[in-house]
Amino acid sequence: GAVVSQHPSRVICKSGTSVKIECRSLDFQATTMFWYRQFPKQSLMLMATSNEGSKATYEQGVEKDKFLINHASLTLSTLTVTSAHPEDSSFYICSAMDPRNSYEQYFGPGTRLTVT
Amino acid sequence: AQRVTQPEKLLSVFKGAPVELKCNYSYSGSPELFWYVQYSRQRLQLLLRHISRESIKGFTADLNKGETSFHLKKPFAQEEDSAMYYCALSGGSNYKLTFGKGTLLTVNP
Repeated sequence: GAVVSQHPSRVICKSGTSVKIECRSLDFQATTMFWYRQFPKQSLMLMATSNEGSKATYEQGVEKDKFLINHASLTLSTLTVTSAHPEDSSFYICSAMDPRNSYEQYFGPGTRLTVT
Repeated sequence: AQRVTQPEKLLSVFKGAPVELKCNYSYSGSPELFWYVQYSRQRLQLLLRHISRESIKGFTADLNKGETSFHLKKPFAQEEDSAMYYCALSGGSNYKLTFGKGTLLTVNP
């Protein structure tokens, strides 16, 4: 089956710094990837749709200048949390759509971000 | 607006008992419904989607448009079914998913 990886799996950063999270589709090309945020014991909340070669589409209430998304290739999307604050601490999950399989979304393992 | 409701946060059954995880949705068009499962320390994975009408690991789900429901059922629960289950909805051509809050299923021996 299709595999999606995320790196890093866990990151701790200081307030005011930026951190980049990578999402890769390992064995398929994904023109569309999604970024989600999951708070403890809560559901996944869609943050944005990442489209290869074009600007990301952000959900209402998500600051595009704070959560920068770049989808420069068909196998890589990055999420950069800029000027991170403790309230940005969360579990970030990406998914990638596999066009070979009815556009099923395959999820990455997630990245735990802690901002101190 | 699209919304998915899973009324039960926790569900506990004994091995061999039937299990039903409830899911209701709100969407003005024709939605596509999914069930995702997350086993302990593993990533989210697709369990089934209504358009494929498959039975995966003994689970089935029927889309009831009249009741706007997509309940997940299994006649005989197994301990390995213990996991977090999320119902999700996709509407339109953008493939975006709206998730319910999830139900943690525990199957006791």
